Amino acid sequence: AQTVTQSQPEMSVQEAETVTLSCTYDTSESDYYLFWYKQPPSRQMILVIRQEAYKQQNATENRFSVNFQKAAKSFSLKISDSQLGDAAMYFCAYRKRGGSEKLVFGKGTKLTVNP
Amino acid sequence: GAGVSQTPSNKVTEKGKYVELRCDPISGHTALYWYRQSLGQGPEFLIYFQGTGAADDSGLPNDRFFAVRPEGSVSTLKIQRTERGDSAVYLCASSLQGEQYFGPGTRLTVT
Repeated sequence: AQTVTQSQPEMSVQEAETVTLSCTYDTSESDYYLFWYKQPPSRQMILVIRQEAYKQQNATENRFSVNFQKAAKSFSLKISDSQLGDAAMYFCAYRKRGGSEKLVFGKGTKLTVNP
Repeated sequence: GAGVSQTPSNKVTEKGKYVELRCDPISGHTALYWYRQSLGQGPEFLIYFQGTGAADDSGLPNDRFFAVRPEGSVSTLKIQRTERGDSAVYLCASSLQGEQYFGPGTRLTVT
């Protein structure tokens, strides 16, 4: 079974600084996707960024970028120029290509942004 | 267009009662997922519909949980004989091809 591990229950960052959230995963599959979701207190899961396993190039979305290390099964999220609105729970998730394509989530990291 | 909506937003029920949670997916999305998020945890998969049929119900914890999607759009998650351990946020997501779009969830509290 696939598992996703987030080893940092909480992280904090100063406004305008950079922070990196860690994620590791375990799978025997070769074709899959990885995601970072943001969950503010409103509870709605918002997709931040996605990475396809077959792509070597790391995904970027504005201030958000990932460091995808396939051999190490590592998928970290870097947030640059942190803003107060970035404060939320962040979940790393895995999805196998094909089948039900259900998401497997980590336990999350609570990010606090200090002004 | 409108996103995924879920009703009610919050539900408090007594142990042993029956509850129904509703999910309205994005129009045209053929895939629909239910997840359960317990306090301090990430969401856990419950069931997946493709159209009207439950294509994968491997995440349902026991036979007290059941879900339907009779017309391939709205889905209802049904929980019989609720237990305090069922207290959680129940999230619904819909998808057309790939990305899952989540609703705001229903917070269920069993007293």
